[in-house]
Amino acid sequence: DSGVTQTPKHLITATGQRVTLRCSPRSGDLSVYWYQQSLDQGLQFLIHYYNGEERAKGNILERFSAQQFPDLHSELNLSSLELGDSALYFCASSVAWGSTEAFFGQGTRLTVV
Amino acid sequence: GDSVTQMEGPVTLSEEAFLTINCTYTATGYPSLFWYVQYPGEGLQLLLKATKADDKGSNKGFEATYRKETTSFHLEKGSVQVSDSAVYFCALSSMSNTGKLIFGQGTTLQVKP
Repeated sequence: DSGVTQTPKHLITATGQRVTLRCSPRSGDLSVYWYQQSLDQGLQFLIHYYNGEERAKGNILERFSAQQFPDLHSELNLSSLELGDSALYFCASSVAWGSTEAFFGQGTRLTVV
Repeated sequence: GDSVTQMEGPVTLSEEAFLTINCTYTATGYPSLFWYVQYPGEGLQLLLKATKADDKGSNKGFEATYRKETTSFHLEKGSVQVSDSAVYFCALSSMSNTGKLIFGQGTTLQVKP
């Protein structure tokens, strides 16, 4: 158990819909990273938050957004969903930011039908 | 930009065989290097890491040495077991990119009894 909790584990939704994925980092970790894992793109970095502030953006679509709340949990919002958004979404947390070790949650498997 | 290249899989070995999975990287500055493992249906787990040149990371019989001169971080294990069957990801992170992980494409290892 990494100490990082992601909910829900599975999500099936229709095209055009909006979903919210939730991540609770390990106790004491200030950084949260979101990644997307798909068969064709592999593991891609989406966005990084540190202590409530956005620090870096990767290949994140405009239809996607995220935030980190004062209690440090984070949410990834995906809207106007398309079939191609079907993927495994991971969050990871670390104590600070930089070259420190990151701990991954079990992921949320999103299926868009 | 920074990138990681891994040998393509799948790699199929018999139990007790020697394992090498090649990983090379391109990065500015001095990244930290990681190997993560993903067992079927699970999230990513840190297997080992190295934070500076010539460091050797090791865990559960796996080893990798940070070679700056060849920009490589090859994963090795002297005697694989069926339970090592998983997908292995090489990754790097650095202060210059806020610590986000840049992953290789992953290598699937299948160990047969």
